[in-house]
Amino acid sequence: QVQLVESGGGVVQPGGSLRLSCAASAVTYGMHWVRQVPGKGLEWVAFIGYDGTDNHYADSVKGRFTVSRDNSKNMLFLQMDSLRPEDTAVYYCAEDSTGGPLHWGQGTLVIVSS
Amino acid sequence: DVVMTQSPLSLPVTLGQPASISCRSSLSLVHSDGNTYLNWFHQRPGQSPRRLIYMVSNRDSGVPDRFSGSGSGTDFTLKISRVEAEDVGIYYCMQGTHWPRTFGPGTKVDIK
Repeated sequence: QVQLVESGGGVVQPGGSLRLSCAASAVTYGMHWVRQVPGKGLEWVAFIGYDGTDNHYADSVKGRFTVSRDNSKNMLFLQMDSLRPEDTAVYYCAEDSTGGPLHWGQGTLVIVSS
Repeated sequence: DVVMTQSPLSLPVTLGQPASISCRSSLSLVHSDGNTYLNWFHQRPGQSPRRLIYMVSNRDSGVPDRFSGSGSGTDFTLKISRVEAEDVGIYYCMQGTHWPRTFGPGTKVDIK
């Protein structure tokens, strides 16, 4: 079972940028980013296929967030630009399997606040 | 976007008794490949979500057989045959057929 570890979270001002990373213990295939406002439900954010060409985004982040990966290092990234207070959440990376996230990381907290 | 709804949103249960959660989608979840990609997740407080069920009715590895999923098209159900204390938490359905993927609002299960 692949292990996933997110990093890069922190406090950023509105309008700022942050880059999240997700380190995988083994080769992964399709990968998701999912976020969760503390105490609230899960929100799907983005997906990237194995070769990086099949990308999809939630409407709420389209044009501001970019998902990418480096398969040579088993790494996944989420570049977050033009951040808004409503982007404050725990961000999880997760590996896809048969149409949904199977293996999840522990999450990294992003706080957008002045 | 496909809207996922769940009912009930809160479910007090008695240990050893069955429990059932409904999930409905605003659009059929039958994919062009013929499969239906409906997932169920369980999240305990302070933990990452864990997937229980994929493609409507398939249990993931290590998931107890007291959990079962059923349904088709736009109407799905997660059933717990006999609730155990470790089953408390929030259950989410998620569709994996259409982009963007979408989750239901969650059903909070606790012990009466």
